[in-house]
Amino acid sequence: SFVLTQPPSVSVAPGKTARVTCGGNDIGIKSVHWYQQKAGQAPVVVISYDTDRPSGMSERFSGSNSGNTATLTISRVEAGDEADYYCQVWDSSSDHPVFGGGTKLTVL
Amino acid sequence: EVQLVESGGGSVRPGRSLRLSCTASGFTFADYVLTWVRQTPGKGLQWVGFIRPIAYGGTTEYAASVKGRFTISRDDSKGIAFLQMNSLKTEDTALYYCTRTYGVNSPFESWGQGTLVTVSS
Repeated sequence: SFVLTQPPSVSVAPGKTARVTCGGNDIGIKSVHWYQQKAGQAPVVVISYDTDRPSGMSERFSGSNSGNTATLTISRVEAGDEADYYCQVWDSSSDHPVFGGGTKLTVL
Repeated sequence: EVQLVESGGGSVRPGRSLRLSCTASGFTFADYVLTWVRQTPGKGLQWVGFIRPIAYGGTTEYAASVKGRFTISRDDSKGIAFLQMNSLKTEDTALYYCTRTYGVNSPFESWGQGTLVTVSS
């Protein structure tokens, strides 16, 4: 089955840019969705279809996807962005969804 | 407002059964794939299974770890999806979320708050 690999943790200072990567074989040909999960809360979509922001989502969140890596970029990081971030795709060989292991974003 | 509310969680012994419910409101329930995702405390998200809309056969798919033990069903007249969990194992202990999606390649747009299942002797 398709495997997505994320770094366990990323740390960034307030006001800087955070990049969370999601690796997978030829992930660039798939649609990648990103979810933010704050402590004690359910996940929320922050980026869908590689680059689309849901209505109301901050423009500080953006996404890209090419080759074997998809990236979630958070600009001008704020304390409130501290959360776990998960990437997700659909495995075309089975039509089953696959989640990455998650990345804990720490704002220093 | 779209709402998904899970219920039915609790503590059970290994080998026993439990049925979770997901009650939906605020959208046309019949149009969506209803998916169950679980999260072990302190760990990541794991897909459990989903059920397609009746218009697409109402068929189901399951993760290998639960196939043959878990069954998903839906009652579109009441806007409820169910997760019947049989032969529970300690490794099934998790927070179970209900979520909706249009289907393959689509994101999981809305999530419930989850219901906790604890399997322990």
